[in-house]
Amino acid sequence: ETGVTQTPRHLVMGMTNKKSLKCEQHLGHNAMYWYKQSAKKPLELMFVYNFKEQTENNSVPSRFSPECPNSSHLFLHLHTLQPEDSALYLCASSPRQASGNTIYFGEGSWLTVV
Amino acid sequence: AQKVTQAQTEISVVEKEDVTLDCVYETRDTTYYLFWYKQPPSGELVFLIRRNSFDEQNEISGRYSWNFQKSTSSFNFTITASQVVDSAVYFCALSEALDTDKLIFGTGTRLQVFP
Repeated sequence: ETGVTQTPRHLVMGMTNKKSLKCEQHLGHNAMYWYKQSAKKPLELMFVYNFKEQTENNSVPSRFSPECPNSSHLFLHLHTLQPEDSALYLCASSPRQASGNTIYFGEGSWLTVV
Repeated sequence: AQKVTQAQTEISVVEKEDVTLDCVYETRDTTYYLFWYKQPPSGELVFLIRRNSFDEQNEISGRYSWNFQKSTSSFNFTITASQVVDSAVYFCALSEALDTDKLIFGTGTRLQVFP
């Protein structure tokens, strides 16, 4: 069983829908992340949270809205998405050690916008 | 600017063959970290290894080995006696000491191992 779990694993939504992706980490880590993986593009960092505080927003459109209520849970709220937002959304966590930071990923949520 | 290049888009081998996946990186930092991740069809990115820039020792873990050469800015990954279960997309990634939250990924190499 992975230390980072994501739900749902698959989601199909219309452009006018509002949905959320959920992530939970069971590793006792301090930082959580959202990454996006589109076809034929490198993985892109979207958001970073350290101790529940957002420390990075990598120029992500406002139709993606993250929420981090505590160090173990992370959400990505989705509204009025476009078909080009269809991708694999990967949640991750890390212990943020000073001597190098290893990031551990979940299984991802496959999103299709129709 | 940081960059990771995986020039091999796809590699196909027959089971029990050895295969090497290439990774070349660019960074101006003197302290940085290199990673390899495996992504099976299920989607999860599985962490395989992290190497610090000041540790050039090669590493072996079972059938996996990694060759880190700062002189050529390369961090290559070799699978010995490949198995069908090794079929996946493999990503090389880089992070720098000043921003260890940000992983810069290569475009990945799809490895197919046929029985």
